[in-house]
Amino acid sequence: EPEVTQTPSHQVTQMGQEVILRCVPISNHLYFYWYRQILGQKVEFLVSFYNNEISEKSEIFDDQFSVERPDGSNFTLKIRSTKLEDSAMYFCASRGRTTSETQYFGPGTRLLVL
Amino acid sequence: GESVGLHLPTLSVQEGDNSIINCAYSNSASDYFIWYKQESGKGPQFIIDIRSNMDKRQGQRVTVLLNKTVKHLSLQIAATQPGDSAVYFCAWGQAGTALIFGKGTTLSVSS
Repeated sequence: EPEVTQTPSHQVTQMGQEVILRCVPISNHLYFYWYRQILGQKVEFLVSFYNNEISEKSEIFDDQFSVERPDGSNFTLKIRSTKLEDSAMYFCASRGRTTSETQYFGPGTRLLVL
Repeated sequence: GESVGLHLPTLSVQEGDNSIINCAYSNSASDYFIWYKQESGKGPQFIIDIRSNMDKRQGQRVTVLLNKTVKHLSLQIAATQPGDSAVYFCAWGQAGTALIFGKGTTLSVSS
């Protein structure tokens, strides 16, 4: 069964450093999302992406964040200058063509900012 | 008046019991509702969804009930098994848009 994959599974970085989190969505999906989950809290939406542009973003997704689909398979989230409060699990999700289809989540990347 | 189930952060059941997990959602414009299961260290895993034009939908051992009047969603798991132990999240939105997640409920199943 096709699934969303994410790399790395864990990332430790120093405050102020840039990190890139990578995702490979399900191959025939067209809509892509990033969410994050701070330890013990609920999942929060960051950004959605369709047709090579951002379609929706939350207040969390400020100028320090960017997304890109550099090729036909990868979808990346970049944090330019990490802060301590960026420490969280970051989940990528993808969805197929129709508006009613479910968002399928990847296993996540655990980011720890020191 | 009509009563709705309370959201509980944890629920402990015996193997074989039926479990009911409750969720209150905030946006009355939402037309799509979904339950996810999250095991430790993993991403949310789809369980079942329901559109706003329905009030009940059944899957394998799971049933989702939607009460739009009081903005309440519940997940019923029949014959709960130890493998069902996880955190369960409800999420809602308008189909195709970002999902808003509710508070999770930790289900613990003892054998």
